[in-house]
Amino acid sequence: GAVVSQHPSWVICKSGTSVKIECRSLDFQATTMFWYRQFPKQSLMLMATSNEGSKATYEQGVEKDKFLINHASLTLSTLTVTSAHPEDSSFYICSALSLGLPGLGTDTQYFGPGTRLTVL
Amino acid sequence: DAKTTQPPSMDCAEGRAANLPCNHSTISGNEYVYWYRQIHSQGPQYIIHGLKNNETNEMASLIITEDRKSSTLILPHATLRDTAVYYCIVRVGRGGGNKLTFGTGTQLKVEL
Repeated sequence: GAVVSQHPSWVICKSGTSVKIECRSLDFQATTMFWYRQFPKQSLMLMATSNEGSKATYEQGVEKDKFLINHASLTLSTLTVTSAHPEDSSFYICSALSLGLPGLGTDTQYFGPGTRLTVL
Repeated sequence: DAKTTQPPSMDCAEGRAANLPCNHSTISGNEYVYWYRQIHSQGPQYIIHGLKNNETNEMASLIITEDRKSSTLILPHATLRDTAVYYCIVRVGRGGGNKLTFGTGTQLKVEL
């Protein structure tokens, strides 16, 4: 149990284009999902908290108009990087919060495999 | 959330127990200790968490000192596949926003 998927696993795009990344909880429902970014040889940095049916909460310094988050269902959150530039190239990772379902840790975040974004 | 301190790197021989320490001397009474690991170029994997009692699951054991100011993650029989960065994270439980703040972690290298 507690499987979180991301699609695509990697993407290469041209500067100025938009890229959408999907995060799905496959075997549990998640009212809250999180989006992280990780640059090479650095730790994960939280970008935003995504709550189903409401607006995302962004961390300080993260541009909400550039990183659009939609959490339209209990199993799907999407991150759209708008007008991507080379400095947006990074490893984007989502997580889904489990609220103590049988066999799963209480209030535990389960992470997806990540999406490698390269902007040329 | 309380800050944690971990050694930057550790080595362990395959088949031996790996004991990863974590210091969280400013932990509050309602904060849990979580452990995750990240294998290169993958998303973090949940290992275990606890509040004050020692915990064990199929992956590892978590030993929390009585004053809760430090803890140790134990991988009883380390394998090469356990080579990863291990993160010790302290956070408030339910109602606390559920955010995880990742530090730099411990790079565990398991060798033959």
